[in-house]
Amino acid sequence: EAGVAQSPRYKIIEKRQSVAFWCNPISGHATLYWYQQILGQGPKLLIQFQNNGVVDDSQLPKDRFSAERLKGVDSTLKIQPAKLEDSAVYLCASSLESHTEAFFGQGTRLTVV
Amino acid sequence: QKEVEQNSGPLSVPEGAIASLNCTYSDRGSQSFFWYRQYSGKSPELIMFIYSNGDKEDGRFTAQLNKASQYVSLLIRDSQPSDSATYLCSVSRPYKIIFGKGTRLHILP
Repeated sequence: EAGVAQSPRYKIIEKRQSVAFWCNPISGHATLYWYQQILGQGPKLLIQFQNNGVVDDSQLPKDRFSAERLKGVDSTLKIQPAKLEDSAVYLCASSLESHTEAFFGQGTRLTVV
Repeated sequence: QKEVEQNSGPLSVPEGAIASLNCTYSDRGSQSFFWYRQYSGKSPELIMFIYSNGDKEDGRFTAQLNKASQYVSLLIRDSQPSDSATYLCSVSRPYKIIFGKGTRLHILP
């Protein structure tokens, strides 16, 4: 069974630039999550999709972050414009249902300079 | 009170001893409980999950859940250097999964 795929693995951008991350979840998984993990901290949920609908985006900085999951499969997360404090690893995860275990992709390490 | 709390550590345990990792949560409606292991620079990987009160054993790992006390723990028996990692406690209820900040475990050779 293929795992959660994310790209790119690494990205370096200047502040005020924009960036986009892509995630393809495990086939058949209805729930998709985007997490931000700052060094030394646990993952922080940014947004959760159930199929193609948003379930929770309470911690998403909506003035600069956006995410979509068209057709209920793969998803993109965008930051525009980026700030220095956005430097982190962005993890995508998926689960069969909203209360079952989440499987993580390898993450995208973003550095904003 | 934070939704999921863990001692950040580091927790240092001699090789071969039992490592005990603890987690408390605030939402009594939480239904599922997970332990993830995260090596430095890697993504979290699931090692245990538990849904019911009591103990659940899988090899060297035992998860313990006490819903009345809102407490979940992970025991690692016969600790190995390869167990050195950050352990993340995760608590879920329908449509929400919350992670703790993790406990860094260091197994001393």
